[in-house]
Amino acid sequence: GAGVSQTPSNKVTEKGKYVELRCDPISGHTALYWYRQSLGQGPEFLIYFQGTGAADDSGLPNDRFFAVRPEGSVSTLKIQRTERGDSAVYLCASSPLPGTSYEQYFGPGTRLTVT
Amino acid sequence: QQQVKQSPQSLIVQKGGISIINCAYENTAFDYFPWYQQFPGKGPALLIAIRPDVSEKKEGRFTISFNKSAKQFSLHIMDSQPGDSATYFCAASNGGTASKLTFGTGTRLQVTL
Repeated sequence: GAGVSQTPSNKVTEKGKYVELRCDPISGHTALYWYRQSLGQGPEFLIYFQGTGAADDSGLPNDRFFAVRPEGSVSTLKIQRTERGDSAVYLCASSPLPGTSYEQYFGPGTRLTVT
Repeated sequence: QQQVKQSPQSLIVQKGGISIINCAYENTAFDYFPWYQQFPGKGPALLIAIRPDVSEKKEGRFTISFNKSAKQFSLHIMDSQPGDSATYFCAASNGGTASKLTFGTGTRLQVTL
């Protein structure tokens, strides 16, 4: 079946602009995660959704970052007033119903470049 | 504070050899330890995972060894192949299912002919 998909695959934006990154999880997966991966580093957790609500947003670096999942499926990560330090690959992962599996399946990521 | 330490940073192994990557963790609440494989330009792909109630898990050429008392776990790739050349990440999570992963810094593996 289809895996996690993310769009766009690449995004170049100017410092100070607003960007939206989209994630389509695996069908039927109720848990959705956003991670950020800087060059040469492991992914770092940003936020986790269970259904429509953010169950854990402790990884969001500041209030310029916000994510939504209004219908419990597709999620959008929103970054306001982008800074050069926001440049990274933003990864989305999804997981089946809690209590059934610990496994997280990642999408290909969106490479964000802030100039 | 880095909660999962991974070594080595890079590794070169000849085809047919054994690749060994090590990780150590600090948080004793961690109860799930996956390994991910990542190729350039791709997202991490789940390779194999272990829970702390077992000391070893094997899937094909990939084996996880887990030492709960030492808070360490390792990935062994037997009969390493050039197609295994990738970056490998260990990770850990706690709090049951649907919990965030804490990743190591990665090991770039190169398998030579």
